[in-house]
Amino acid sequence: GAGVSQSPSNKVTEKGKDVELRCDPISGHTALYWYRQSLGQGLEFLIYFQGNSAPDKSGLPSDRFSAERTGGSVSTLTIQRTQQEDSAVYLCASSLGSTRSYEQYFGPGTRLTVT
Amino acid sequence: AQSVTQLGSHVSVSEGALVLLRCNYSSSVPPYLFWYVQYPNQGLQLLLKYTSAATLVKGINGFEAEFKKSETSFHLTKPSAHMSDAAEYFCAVSGYIFGTGTRLKVLA
Repeated sequence: GAGVSQSPSNKVTEKGKDVELRCDPISGHTALYWYRQSLGQGLEFLIYFQGNSAPDKSGLPSDRFSAERTGGSVSTLTIQRTQQEDSAVYLCASSLGSTRSYEQYFGPGTRLTVT
Repeated sequence: AQSVTQLGSHVSVSEGALVLLRCNYSSSVPPYLFWYVQYPNQGLQLLLKYTSAATLVKGINGFEAEFKKSETSFHLTKPSAHMSDAAEYFCAVSGYIFGTGTRLKVLA
């Protein structure tokens, strides 16, 4: 079956512009996660959704970052007024549920470059 | 609070040698532990997971990990490294708390 998809695969933007990153989870997966991967920083948790609710958004680095999920499916991560330090690969993952025992299935990521 | 520490951001082994990647966790509740692998230019995929059924967990590609509660560890091992094992490996606790990763290099 289809895996997690993300778009765009690459995004180059100018400092100060807003960007939207999209994630399509595996059908039937109720939990959805966003991470940021930077060189030497590992995977930085940003936010997760159970259905359309976000029980934990503690990882969002600033109020410039926001995310939503609609219809229990597609999610968008929005970064306003982008800064150079926002440059990273943004990964999305989904799982069958949000309990701690479920493994996650990852998308290929969106590489964001802020110039 | 839960956390994961991976010792060694880079590990090099010779082809055919033992692979040992270290992971220590902190958790106030019984943990669920995972190892994921990211091959070059690919997404992360699950190698194996511990969910309390057995302390020795076998995963894909000949990898295994042993849960040791007394040492709060979940180290990943493989008896004999292959060139194809070169990748970045991430340990995770309880779903979405990830370590900083260990990049494995296999020398011919």
